[in-house]
Amino acid sequence: GQQLNQSPQSMFIQEGEDVSMNCTSSSIFNTWLWYKQDPGEGPVLLIALYKAGELTSNGRLTAQFGITRKDSFLNISASIPSDVGIYFCAGPSSYSGAGSYQLTFGKGTKLSVIP
Amino acid sequence: NAGVMQNPRHLVRRRGQEARLRCSPMKGHSHVYWYRQLPEEGLKFMVYLQKENIIDESGMPKERFSAEFPKEGPSILRIQQVVRGDSAAYFCASSPNRGVDQPQHFGDGTRLSIL
Repeated sequence: GQQLNQSPQSMFIQEGEDVSMNCTSSSIFNTWLWYKQDPGEGPVLLIALYKAGELTSNGRLTAQFGITRKDSFLNISASIPSDVGIYFCAGPSSYSGAGSYQLTFGKGTKLSVIP
Repeated sequence: NAGVMQNPRHLVRRRGQEARLRCSPMKGHSHVYWYRQLPEEGLKFMVYLQKENIIDESGMPKERFSAEFPKEGPSILRIQQVVRGDSAAYFCASSPNRGVDQPQHFGDGTRLSIL
């Protein structure tokens, strides 16, 4: 099946620093989604990307849909303590049929922010 | 994660018992998806339902697992004769329609522990 590889697996940064993480796949995705999961909670959608090359922002978060359709990047500027959590990339599995929406998730990037 | 309601939040069962997990989608959403998350892993798709119909159950084990989304009431994920390997967090998501432009919104999950 399709796989999404996220890197880094975990990162420790100082408050105020910028953060960059990425997600790659061996197959093409036509939609890229970035979710954040806090401990004990479900994933919350941060940004959705629908076109190759698209760059979309949501406050201090910026995500890009790679031109090759096989990667995506998420950047967080001026990190704050509440940015702590696990960030997942996800996309619809192409083998599940037209119109279907079976999501494939990466294993996540765990972000820790040191005050 | 307001909107998608899952209960119980935590469920403890002994091996051989049955587990019933409930999900009420966001208001106006008629598409429900169930995912399973193991520790340190991303979410894995299990089943996709519309009201009274199972659309895609390709990610759900053939034995012991079943799902339904009746005309009235919540969606139910049922696990019969639970085993230790069923211990995981089970998340439900919903969307208003089916399509890549209809992002899924997740509940806070049910953490199932098997003794």
